[in-house]
Amino acid sequence: EVQLVESGGGLVQPGRSLRLSCAASGFTFHDYGMHWVRQAPGKGLEWVSGISWNSGSIFYADSVKGRFTISRDNAKNSLYLQMDSLRAEDTAFYSCAKGAGPAVFYLADLPRSYYFDSWGQGTLVTVSS
Amino acid sequence: SSELTQDPAVSVALGQTVRITCQGDNLRNYYASWYQQKPGQAPLLVIYNKNNRPSGIPDRFSGSSSGNTASLTITGAQAEDEADYYCKSRDSSGNHLVFGGGTKLTVL
Repeated sequence: EVQLVESGGGLVQPGRSLRLSCAASGFTFHDYGMHWVRQAPGKGLEWVSGISWNSGSIFYADSVKGRFTISRDNAKNSLYLQMDSLRAEDTAFYSCAKGAGPAVFYLADLPRSYYFDSWGQGTLVTVSS
Repeated sequence: SSELTQDPAVSVALGQTVRITCQGDNLRNYYASWYQQKPGQAPLLVIYNKNNRPSGIPDRFSGSSSGNTASLTITGAQAEDEADYYCKSRDSSGNHLVFGGGTKLTVL
């Protein structure tokens, strides 16, 4: 069974930093692209960032580019999100999601397709003074 | 604003059929996937690759696509289908993923 468990959330002041972790189990972690998705309380889903299986391709939403850094450690079956220069509008539940293939946005056998087949429960990040 | 547009809320009588739509020009080039989210729970993939269901998803859930519109249909809606539903695809640049704003489904 695929399990994704996020940690590292909490209350942080504007302008400060926070590092989120996602511990993966139940699948061959290094074979899949991974993503971070956030959801502000009572709001919709927002894709934040994605990383390919070997960290060779990394992409960010415009809202976090230059402030957030995604990374992974395949030896530790872990995904990370370093969040710097945090703003009040970054307040949200942050979840990691497993991609359906090794790339970030497409499946090798069906390039028009990409989806998340597993999600974690999320960790809450609150940015407030 | 999202490149994928969904109706904010839809209702359906118990046992009836409901269609939830997702519109966006990028859907002409990329498939949509659909996610169900119940309060306090993580999203759950219900449809991918136009009309494929993951294991464990009831066959009352189906998907389709035409032009710039992707659709999720629930045939014979059940009380447990009451949830928020989100579509997702690649954006027009191809370098981002984007979600629709979500549709809150109420089963009457």
